[in-house]
Amino acid sequence: NAGVTQTPKFQVLKTGQSMTLQCAQDMNHEYMSWYRQDPGMGLRLIHYSVGAGITDQGEVPNGYNVSRSTTEDFPLRLLSAAPSQTSVYFCASSGLGGTIHGYTFGSGTRLTVV
Amino acid sequence: QQPVQSPQAVILREGEDAVINCSSSKALYSVHWYRQKHGEAPVFLMILLKGGEQKGHEKISASFNEKKQQSSLYLTASQLSYSGTYFCGTEISGGSNYKLTFGKGTLLTVNP
Repeated sequence: NAGVTQTPKFQVLKTGQSMTLQCAQDMNHEYMSWYRQDPGMGLRLIHYSVGAGITDQGEVPNGYNVSRSTTEDFPLRLLSAAPSQTSVYFCASSGLGGTIHGYTFGSGTRLTVV
Repeated sequence: QQPVQSPQAVILREGEDAVINCSSSKALYSVHWYRQKHGEAPVFLMILLKGGEQKGHEKISASFNEKKQQSSLYLTASQLSYSGTYFCGTEISGGSNYKLTFGKGTLLTVNP
């Protein structure tokens, strides 16, 4: 079991470029989410999904798009990167009805926008 | 709405105890606790559900006061391996379940 896999681990973008952060899980979890982590700010929810075809916004959704075409994958798209999007991004998953087992996090993507 | 954690940081000697608090202005359905070591992903410790009992995990336990919408994480006889940043995450009653909102974290340092 790989758990939650995020790619890439590191990325440097120029302002205005677009990119997709990949997240895949092999635990048949229904729930998936994206967080960003900035120093002193904790983990802030960007977008989340409770199943294929269903997504919703979190606390800080501006500048990001998501889609959920399969149970396994939940990519995060940056439409036009800005320096304010420099952060560490974590993907997490949990089974519906299984929150007693908590959320499983991926190892993170460290993004720098210059 | 982000829960409020206190203290922001705590330094212990090995064997000492610590308490980390988490409070919300909203009625809560659940409180999660996670630990994150530097450069790593957060790791789930435990969850407390509305109406549930106090939980325990090795020498780490937690409680949930539903009247005050507060949770506390208790670390007893701390070990060096307990060092890291502790986050509470909350799900609001009547809100979208699985929408987990985290506090800003408490940095715990355990010294020999």
